Amino acid sequence: EIVLTQSPATLSLSPGERATLSCRASQSVSSYLAWYQQKPGQAPRLLIYDASNRATGIPARFSGSGSGTDFTLTISSLEPEDFAVYYCQQRSNWPPLMYTFGQGTKLEIK
Amino acid sequence: QVQLQESGPGLVKPSQTLSLTCTVSGGSISSGSYYWSWIRQPAGKGLEWIGRIYTSGSTNYNPSLKSRVTISVDTSKNQFSLKLSSVTAADTVVYYCGAYDSSGYYVDYWGQGTLVTVSS
Repeated sequence: EIVLTQSPATLSLSPGERATLSCRASQSVSSYLAWYQQKPGQAPRLLIYDASNRATGIPARFSGSGSGTDFTLTISSLEPEDFAVYYCQQRSNWPPLMYTFGQGTKLEIK
Repeated sequence: QVQLQESGPGLVKPSQTLSLTCTVSGGSISSGSYYWSWIRQPAGKGLEWIGRIYTSGSTNYNPSLKSRVTISVDTSKNQFSLKLSSVTAADTVVYYCGAYDSSGYYVDYWGQGTLVTVSS
């Protein structure tokens, strides 16, 4: 099973600042990595797929990068609505097929 | 746009079987465009994939839950379902249904989630 480790667990920043979130895979996932945003009481929302492609309707301040085992989600200038929990997710095809999520990074207002 | 809605009992007794249904609207479950999936989340914790089903009926399950999980599809009702047997308090979590995109890698659409409590 591929394990995804996110860091930091909590990130305290102010609106307007730049946020950098990390996701590390225990083995290569190529570019098949997604990022989701989850706000309290809501379902997650797809932000980034294939490591660097923004999903439909996602603002340009969100960007993703990386391949292999190291990935980054960057929010260039934080808006008040960006404070939430962020998860990375991958799918491994080696039998058995399996999806795993990172444990999440909570982005909180400083 | 596809919309998903979970339904089912919010309270299940220990050792019994949890049954949830996800109703799909805004698209046909038979279209072949999505992999229909169940994902769960304990309160305040991370996400765990339970399993998925394709229109053909082909299924994949999380190995850690496989012995207790069955996912099925009812194309006539545009629904898919989850059954989880022998539940314990550890199965008290929010359950989401989701639609993985046609590549099967990413969840394009999510239901709102439903909390199931296991308690006598």
